[in-house]
Amino acid sequence: KAGVTQTPRYLIKTRGQQVTLSCSPISGHRSVSWYQQTPGQGLQFLFEYFSETQRNKGNFPGRFSGRQFSNSRSEMNVSTLELGDSALYLCASSLAGAGVYGYTFGSGTRLTVV
Amino acid sequence: KQEVTQIPAALSVPEGENLVLNCSFTDSAIYNLQWFRQDPGKGLTSLLLIQSSQREQTSGRLNASLDKSSGRSTLYIAASQPGDSATYLCAVRLPYAGNMLTFGGGTRLMVKP
Repeated sequence: KAGVTQTPRYLIKTRGQQVTLSCSPISGHRSVSWYQQTPGQGLQFLFEYFSETQRNKGNFPGRFSGRQFSNSRSEMNVSTLELGDSALYLCASSLAGAGVYGYTFGSGTRLTVV
Repeated sequence: KQEVTQIPAALSVPEGENLVLNCSFTDSAIYNLQWFRQDPGKGLTSLLLIQSSQREQTSGRLNASLDKSSGRSTLYIAASQPGDSATYLCAVRLPYAGNMLTFGGGTRLMVKP
């Protein structure tokens, strides 16, 4: 079965612009989470959506937002881009919200802000 | 606040060696622990998931153990191969933190032919 699909794979944006990243979870998975990975900070949790509702949010500024659609696909938006937003953005999906399920990650979107 | 530490940060071994990667966490009240592999510039590939009630999980040449009371997990790789070269990450999931995973910094493994 298809895995977690993230688009686009690579993005180059200019400071001040905004960007939208997309994530399609594994079919049947209702939980989608987003993570930011940088060399300095490692992997940091952004937010999690379950059945179109944001259930948990990490410690990121309000410029980072997301949403989930009825088909469980999720988008993440970053407004007013800063150089420090350059990172690999990873999406992960899980079958449900219960703790017994592990996560499956996508290949990520590499965002470069210049 | 849960902290996850992986030691060593980098490891280089000759092909064929058995090796152990370590992961420690400060809060033992975890739901589960998951080991991932990450190749350069790529996403994460799940290797093993251990529930809090389990002591170990095995998949092929990989064996992961969990000792909640001491806040430790180890990933054992038998008969290492150059294709095992990657960064290995452990992550814990806490019952009071929703479905957020807390990651360690990773161990970068190089297996030399």
